[in-house]
Amino acid sequence: AQKITQTQPGMFVQEKEAVTLDCTYDTSDPSYGLFWYKQPSSGEMIFLIYQGSYDQQNATEGRYSLNFQKARKSANLVISASQLGDSAMYFCAMREGIYNQGGKLIFGQGTELSVKP
Amino acid sequence: EPEVTQTPSHQVTQMGQEVILRCVPISNHLYFYWYRQILGQKVEFLVSFYNNEISEKSEIFDDQFSVERPDGSNFTLKIRSTKLEDSAMYFCASSEQGDNTGELFFGEGSRLTVL
Repeated sequence: AQKITQTQPGMFVQEKEAVTLDCTYDTSDPSYGLFWYKQPSSGEMIFLIYQGSYDQQNATEGRYSLNFQKARKSANLVISASQLGDSAMYFCAMREGIYNQGGKLIFGQGTELSVKP
Repeated sequence: EPEVTQTPSHQVTQMGQEVILRCVPISNHLYFYWYRQILGQKVEFLVSFYNNEISEKSEIFDDQFSVERPDGSNFTLKIRSTKLEDSAMYFCASSEQGDNTGELFFGEGSRLTVL
């Protein structure tokens, strides 16, 4: 079974509008972290935002916020006021385990976001 | 700002040749990873490394692959006898924390093309 599912292979958004990228996850571990990464066409992986499973508040980082719905096992990324430079592939990822075991990140399939002027 | 560096950025090799991809993780990080991304596909975990040994490896990481931290700064991925399907972008990553609160910092990737 997929641990991380991103159901939107591609999304379009008008510049200056907000967009939500969907992510659902599956884990039986009570302690986990959820991450979003951006991959522009140049290929590097850029960390955007983190949400811990025990965090009470939704994470925010500038124009990025994470809509964390634990009961539904979803961790959607919201980008407000989209800019042309936001056009990229976006990956949702999860890291399990509370102990310092160096657990790996598991990635979803990604969503390609295109921002239209 | 500290960063993970990878060399080479692009390598072209003939099928059956050995390839070594090099990475310099962030200096105070203790956890190291290799991932690969076949063109247009998702990022796949290969191996994690901590305390000078492999902590976990995926089914992709078969006997053709090996990792090493030879000198306390470099972290290398060796592919012993490359196959066409090894063509991919290979990302090195490192993390300061081993629990689920720490993000992984990625290098810019090494693109491997096997002919």
